[in-house]
Amino acid sequence: KQEVTQIPAALSVPEGENLVLNCSFTDSAIYNLQWFRQDPGKGLTSLLLIQSSQREQTSGRLNASLDKSSGRSTLYIAASQPGDSATYLCAVPYNTDKLIFGTGTRLQVFP
Amino acid sequence: GAVVSQHPSRVICKSGTSVKIECRSLDFQATTMFWYRQFPKQSLMLMATSNEGSKATYEQGVEKDKFLINHASLTLSTLTVTSAHPEDSSFYICSAPTPFGNTIYFGEGSWLTVV
Repeated sequence: KQEVTQIPAALSVPEGENLVLNCSFTDSAIYNLQWFRQDPGKGLTSLLLIQSSQREQTSGRLNASLDKSSGRSTLYIAASQPGDSATYLCAVPYNTDKLIFGTGTRLQVFP
Repeated sequence: GAVVSQHPSRVICKSGTSVKIECRSLDFQATTMFWYRQFPKQSLMLMATSNEGSKATYEQGVEKDKFLINHASLTLSTLTVTSAHPEDSSFYICSAPTPFGNTIYFGEGSWLTVV
């Protein structure tokens, strides 16, 4: 059974720092991995989708990498800002469009 | 703007009553939608798959008679929490993949509080 965990569970940093959020999955037979952002009490915003054939994807200050063989993905946030404060979730699919979500990392960036 | 809309965003109901949550795809037809539940400070857990024109498929441990799912049309799925208990208080969120399956959109979520 696929299990997805994220480290750290929570992170509090001053703005400007570069951050690395980690996601680990037990079954490497995935065809993509997705990173989401969730603001408190809100829905999900898709940040980056990495196909299994890719090693990384970039969007603005965000960069996500994928290493299937080791069962890991990282989300790199450059020059963090208070507006980046949110919970970040990684997710992998099973049975087509169903998703298994990670445990999440709650990020707080303070001015 | 949102491409998947949920309603209501927040609802409070009394124990023993039923409450319905709607999930609509606004710009595309969705033959399949997914319902997730998220307890405080926990991650999202898939509850069931809503299938247009057929019965929903429930994940292990989810009571199908308690969480009624109806995929009434190609743009609407509803989740009805029947005989609600305080333990059902949670954040419920739906998702819908686009017809070609290349994007999954999530609704804004619905906060349910059972008192």
